[in-house]
Amino acid sequence: DTAVSQTPKYLVTQMGNDKSIKCEQNLGHDTMYWYKQDSKKFLKIMFSYNNKELIINETVPNRFSPKSPDKAHLNLHINSLELGDSAVYFCASSRGVTGELFFGEGSRLTVL
Amino acid sequence: DQQVKQNSPSLSVQEGRISILNCDYTNSMFDYFLWYKKYPAEGPTFLISISSIKDKNEDGRFTVFLNKSAKHLSLHIVPSQPGDSAVYFCAATSNFGNEKLTFGTGTRLTIIP
Repeated sequence: DTAVSQTPKYLVTQMGNDKSIKCEQNLGHDTMYWYKQDSKKFLKIMFSYNNKELIINETVPNRFSPKSPDKAHLNLHINSLELGDSAVYFCASSRGVTGELFFGEGSRLTVL
Repeated sequence: DQQVKQNSPSLSVQEGRISILNCDYTNSMFDYFLWYKKYPAEGPTFLISISSIKDKNEDGRFTVFLNKSAKHLSLHIVPSQPGDSAVYFCAATSNFGNEKLTFGTGTRLTIIP
């Protein structure tokens, strides 16, 4: 029973398209995140939501829009995809206390 | 601006020996440090953490050491096992409970049987 699940795991698309990545956690955590791991392997936070409320919004182009319909789900929508958006996107959740994050398996986005 | 650095991209260690992974940080506001382990095609999993009020934390075969004056931490794995082969990420945060983690670029550890 997967704790943090993301779909799709792989996504190949053309520049200019719009795509979404979905994330669900069944751990009962209040806080969810999106992290991006680029080609240089840097794992950087993009967004954080606590109980459906946006609490961290790093310097991310506004083509990226997170949406949290409830505290168990955090989806990432990306408009007008660019080549530089190619990366692995990780969803994570936490209890919000210890810094211990539970990550999903990642979604590898390739923009051609 | 890379605030958390792992200068060794890879490390190979014989099974049964000690593995030592190093991490340096530049932001003196960091007060909580974590190590994550990542297998291919999986997300990172939490391994061990340490607060800045401590200089050592041990959990089974894993020990993390923190040297605040040098802004350096290390992860020791003793004895190393083949299942320890993975990429290890160091992470840091400021304000205990703030979940904004800053990660290093990882060290790929290979345990040689």
